[in-house]
Order: sequence, then structure tokens, then C-alpha cells
Amino acid sequence: DQQVKQNSPSLSVQEGRISILNCDYTNSMFDYFLWYKKYPAEGPTFLISISSIKDKNEDGRFTVFLNKSAKHLSLHIVPSQPGDSAVYFCAASDPSGTYKYIFGTGTRLKVLA
Amino acid sequence: EPEVTQTPSHQVTQMGQEVILRCVPISNHLYFYWYRQILGQKVEFLVSFYNNEISEKSEIFDDQFSVERPDGSNFTLKIRSTKLEDSAMYFCASSESVAADTQYFGPGTRLTVL
Repeated sequence: DQQVKQNSPSLSVQEGRISILNCDYTNSMFDYFLWYKKYPAEGPTFLISISSIKDKNEDGRFTVFLNKSAKHLSLHIVPSQPGDSAVYFCAASDPSGTYKYIFGTGTRLKVLA
Repeated sequence: EPEVTQTPSHQVTQMGQEVILRCVPISNHLYFYWYRQILGQKVEFLVSFYNNEISEKSEIFDDQFSVERPDGSNFTLKIRSTKLEDSAMYFCASSESVAADTQYFGPGTRLTVL
């Protein structure tokens, strides 16, 4: 039962260009979404979040867009840098219990210099 | 900047042995979580903990698992009798509150069960 899906396991982008990572969810009760970045052998590092009352949140080079009707969110990184190369996880906060996070399977981003 | 810490970074154990994974959450946080990631799979919720008791647990968190906050700073996950399939990265997380509050994750403990 994949409530949060990241359909692209990997993405390669040239340095300086835009990286767009996508995430779909199935549960309309989810009300808070986050993106985490993860390097090998490290824990997930919080990147950016968005509440369901918004459709966009921006923090520096990172912007998250939420389309509630499509149950879709995306992370835009502009401009992409080689240091952005990592696995990116989308997560949704499940309000049905204690707001545990439901994670997607991750997208491995490679930014080419 | 405050961060969640976890020890050990890597634990190797024999099947059937007990292991304790340790975490020090961020000091002013009140909600604590354990997640795990089996190699090649997604990060999965195990248990949440608040006010010295389990708030929620997943179906993975069976009787072999327990959590404890033995003092004001540590938060531990115990696996009583490890199985091969318990091999995974275990992540501790903490948040100041719930409901649209960000959980901050530790670096993880890699558990290898032989």
C-alpha cells in the first residue's frame, strides 16, 4: 500500500539547470508534506515543507509546489549544484495518529558538473 | 545547531541476541520516533513516544521491540531477540510538537544481524 509514491528512481541534471522531483500521494487527509535529502550512511536531512493550506513554499534555491486536487507535489531546485547530488525523499505527515511520516521510495538526483 | 545523535553508528550482532540502540533527541523536543530503512527500501515508521509512553506503533513494532526514555536525555530502542530481517538502518527522530511540525532525524544506526 504505497500512500506516497516517487515514480522516478533517478534523475540526472546539468549543473545550473533546474531539477524537478515529483511525488504523488493517495490519502487526501495528509495535511503536511516535507522533502528530505539523504546522503549515503547519513540520516534524512530536512529540506523544506509545505502545509496543505498553501500551494507553494520557497526557501532559497528550493521551492515546493503542492497541487491538492491532483494529490501531487514537486520540489524544484534552481540552480542545481553538484552538492545537491543525493537521494531525495518526499514525506507526508499522517494526521490519523501521531503525525507519523509516510515516506516515498526516494529519487536519486545526480547533478553533473 | 541542535541535532539528534545516535549511538552506535554500526552494530553487528548474532541472531537471537538483544540489542539496544541509543538516541539523544534535541533537548526541547517532546515527541520521539523510531523509523527504519531496510536496504533498498523506503523509510518506515516504527513507533512514536510522548510523555513517557508509546503513542502509536506500526505492525512492524511487535513484542520483540520496546522503547524507553530512561532519563531526561536518552531515548532507546531495544530489540529483544534479533532476527536476520531486523538488519536495517534505524533512525531516531524528534519534534517539538506534532501536527505540522518538522521531525529532525539522527544519522542512524546500521544494525547487521548475522
